[in-house]
Amino acid sequence: ETGVTQSPTHLIKTRGQQVTLRCSSQSGHNTVSWYQQALGQGPQFIFQYYREEENGRGNFPPRFSGLQFPNYSSELNVNALELDDSALYLCASSLVEEDEQFFGPGTRLTVL
Amino acid sequence: GQNIDQPTEMTATEGAIVQINCTYQTSGFNGLFWYQQHAGEAPTFLSYNVLDGLEEKGRFSSFLSRSKGYSYLLLKELQMKDSASYLCAGDDRGSTLGRLYFGRGTQLTVWP
Repeated sequence: ETGVTQSPTHLIKTRGQQVTLRCSSQSGHNTVSWYQQALGQGPQFIFQYYREEENGRGNFPPRFSGLQFPNYSSELNVNALELDDSALYLCASSLVEEDEQFFGPGTRLTVL
Repeated sequence: GQNIDQPTEMTATEGAIVQINCTYQTSGFNGLFWYQQHAGEAPTFLSYNVLDGLEEKGRFSSFLSRSKGYSYLLLKELQMKDSASYLCAGDDRGSTLGRLYFGRGTQLTVWP
């Protein structure tokens, strides 16, 4: 039991729509990272938040944006959805001074 | 740049031993993780190596050679439940604390 939760579990959207995915970090963790995992691939780093600010970003366009709240929960927003955005979106929480990241169960997004 | 390579698929029989190799080229490399991921589920932590050498944890062991950019995960006394994808990930503590660079994963199938 990692304590990291994500919602919703599954989501179906159409091209051009916007989506918000949510993540609740494990208690006490101050850092959250978001990853995109396409079918048959490893997770790809989208961005990380620490103290409510973006603390690094992967190779994703600006239509991928995020927020971290004072209680360390987080949101991932994707605008102007494209078919290739269909993937499992994982959030992982950690302590900034620790190495291990704990992953949530993920949100499966399908874009039609 | 960051590049993590691992075999796509492996098969083995119950009770056997299997070694999953991973080679990497990362900048700002700090350590190397192994995660297990069952289909449709979140990755779960198996091991983290920072220093060269072998670390044993029950049926699973992980090895790291920093000079060779090489790691392996050794699974002993294989069980059916070990059928899963095994993800190798490098830990960049350079520009982004704790950012993980994942390989594509090795799908292990254990046969009875």
